[in-house]
Amino acid sequence: RKEVEQDPGPFNVPEGATVAFNCTYSNSASQSFFWYRQDCRKEPKLLMSVYSSGNEDGRFTAQLNRASQYISLLIRDSKLSDSATYLCVVNGYNKLIFGAGTRLAVHP
Amino acid sequence: ETGVTQTPRHLVMGMTNKKSLKCEQHLGHNAMYWYKQSAKKPLELMFVYNFKEQTENNSVPSRFSPECPNSSHLFLHLHTLQPEDSALYLCASSQDPGGDQPQHFGDGTRLSIL
Repeated sequence: RKEVEQDPGPFNVPEGATVAFNCTYSNSASQSFFWYRQDCRKEPKLLMSVYSSGNEDGRFTAQLNRASQYISLLIRDSKLSDSATYLCVVNGYNKLIFGAGTRLAVHP
Repeated sequence: ETGVTQTPRHLVMGMTNKKSLKCEQHLGHNAMYWYKQSAKKPLELMFVYNFKEQTENNSVPSRFSPECPNSSHLFLHLHTLQPEDSALYLCASSQDPGGDQPQHFGDGTRLSIL
C-alpha cells in the first residue's frame, strides 16, 4: 500500500460545480496534513493545512478523518483558475510525503 | 513570492558538461530539500539537509552532488548526466525536516539534457 494515495483523475467539472477529492494515508501516527496546488510546469504551492477540527478558507474546505485515515478537499463554486493538480501531503516517518496528485480541469 | 529562489530557471546541457543549480531561501528555515519531477510524474525526493548536514540521500546517482554551505544556500552539482535526467528540479525549505511544518518551494530549474 502506498504511503499516500490519491485518485489521479482527471476530474472534469463545469464552472460553478462543487468537487471533492479524497486522499488516504497509511501511517496511523501521522500528525500533520497539507493540501498543495501545482499548476502545469510550475512549483507546488501550499493551499492549506488540515487541522483535526477541519478548516475552511473561502471556497476551500479541508477535513481530516483519523479513524479512516483520509483527508479531503472540497472546492465550492469552481472557477476556471482552479484547474490544477492538487497534492495531498502527510507527515510520516519523520518527513513529509507527497501524493502523486489529483488533476482538476474546470471547463466553461 | 521570493521566499525560495532558484537559478537558473532553465538549463540545457550536454551529457559531458558540468553545471550547478543554486537555491537560496530567505525564510530563516533550517531544512532544505532537492526534488526531481519528471514530466507528468510525482515529486521524487532526492536529498534532505538539516542545519547544513545531509540527513537523507534517496539513492540518488553520484552524478548528482549536493552541497549545503549554510542553512540558507543549497547547490546541486551536475556532471555527466543522462537524457533521462531531464526534468524539473525543485528546491524547498521548511522550518525543520520532521514534517510538522509545510515546505515552501522555489520556482524550479527546468533541465534538458541533450
